[in-house]
Amino acid sequence: DVVMTQSPLSLPVTLGQPASISCRSSQSLVSTDGNTYLNWFQQRPGQSPRRLIYEVSKRDSGVPDRFSGSGSGTDFTLKISRVEGEDVGAVYYCMQGTHWPPVTFGGGTKVEIK
Amino acid sequence: QVQLVESGGGVVQPGRSLRLSCVASGFTFKNYGMHWVRQAADKGLEWVAVIWYDGSKKYYADSVKGRFTISRDDSKNTLYLQVNTLRAEDTAMYYCVRDVGVRSPEYDYWGQGTLVTVSS
Repeated sequence: DVVMTQSPLSLPVTLGQPASISCRSSQSLVSTDGNTYLNWFQQRPGQSPRRLIYEVSKRDSGVPDRFSGSGSGTDFTLKISRVEGEDVGAVYYCMQGTHWPPVTFGGGTKVEIK
Repeated sequence: QVQLVESGGGVVQPGRSLRLSCVASGFTFKNYGMHWVRQAADKGLEWVAVIWYDGSKKYYADSVKGRFTISRDDSKNTLYLQVNTLRAEDTAMYYCVRDVGVRSPEYDYWGQGTLVTVSS
């Protein structure tokens, strides 16, 4: 199974400042069709997860453009260009869908106020 | 609008069974693959099972293989998860998730979850 490793576990942030979360996979996520199936989800307290990014860098409808995804192969990053209050307190997960089943998730990164 | 509403969770003793349900609305259910994903309290997300849009294929996480069964009834727009021989480590919120992917799982809608607690 592909192991997804996120860092850091907890990310202290300052409102209005940028933030980034790292996700590494135990093997390349480039599929035989040439696509890379790496997603990012946000989960606010008490809520179900919500997808933000799919295929590394494609933003879902309604997701603020301060969120962006990048990376390739085994190394991926979720960036928030300017952290807003609604981003804080949420946990962010990466997920791979290239080598499945099983689908595998990273352990999560909680964004907190510094 | 798309809605996924899970039910069937509860407190159950180890070794017992439950059937979780997920009623879908706002879309043509029979056209989509569906997954179950679970989350223990204050823990991360764990994929549990998938059923193809036509029910032709089903896959399970190793941790539940042989104990859990995913199924669907398109006439009722309902996804099921039969959970047998429950263990303490199965305690979690269970989410029903719609898959819009073609070559890979692409999760666009999640239900609100149903909580399963395994305790004596």
